[in-house]
Amino acid sequence: ETGVTQSPTHLIKTRGQQVTLRCSSQSGHNTVSWYQQALGQGPQFIFQYYREEENGRGNFPPRFSGLQFPNYSSELNVNALELDDSALYLCASSYGGEDYEQYFGPGTRLTVT
Amino acid sequence: GQQVMQIPQYQHVQEGEDFTTYCNSSTTLSNIQWYKQRPGGHPVFLIQLVKSGEVKKQKRLTFQFGEAKKNSSLHITATQTTDVGTYFCAGPLGRGSTLGRLYFGRGTQLTVWP
Repeated sequence: ETGVTQSPTHLIKTRGQQVTLRCSSQSGHNTVSWYQQALGQGPQFIFQYYREEENGRGNFPPRFSGLQFPNYSSELNVNALELDDSALYLCASSYGGEDYEQYFGPGTRLTVT
Repeated sequence: GQQVMQIPQYQHVQEGEDFTTYCNSSTTLSNIQWYKQRPGGHPVFLIQLVKSGEVKKQKRLTFQFGEAKKNSSLHITATQTTDVGTYFCAGPLGRGSTLGRLYFGRGTQLTVWP
């Protein structure tokens, strides 16, 4: 086990609603990255937080936003949910940026109906 | 679109056969990482390759990084049913404004028949 935890494990929301997903990073890690994994695809980078600042963003619209707290835990917020947002959302912690191995949490399965 | 290409998408082998998955990048990578995701699970870090031409082994798994640092491969010798899962390669692409971005390939889903 990596020590990275995510909550909730599963979530069902209706189109147009808002959702907040949470992640606790592994002890000693100061970087959290969020990924979206659609069925049959590889994880797609959403954004990364390093020491509470956004440190890179993928091709996701502004309705995807995030936060990192002083204890390095993180939140992913998605506004105005769309059906295509249904996916597994993975949080990964690491000691640094993209040159370091990522330790993934178990993910949150989001279903938008 | 994806800038890290991985082939094949699917591979079905009988237990004991070998398996190889290939990863190609459109640009030079500072490093390449490999992950395994079991069905219903999350990606688990396997290894990181950094040097040009690097070869690393983990028991039956052999990882290679190309001389130009644009391609990589994972080879499993004598597959076992415990090897079942999807294998992903991932590499950092871009610097500056794209700092922090790790691109994953689409993965190779390995099925092993007993």
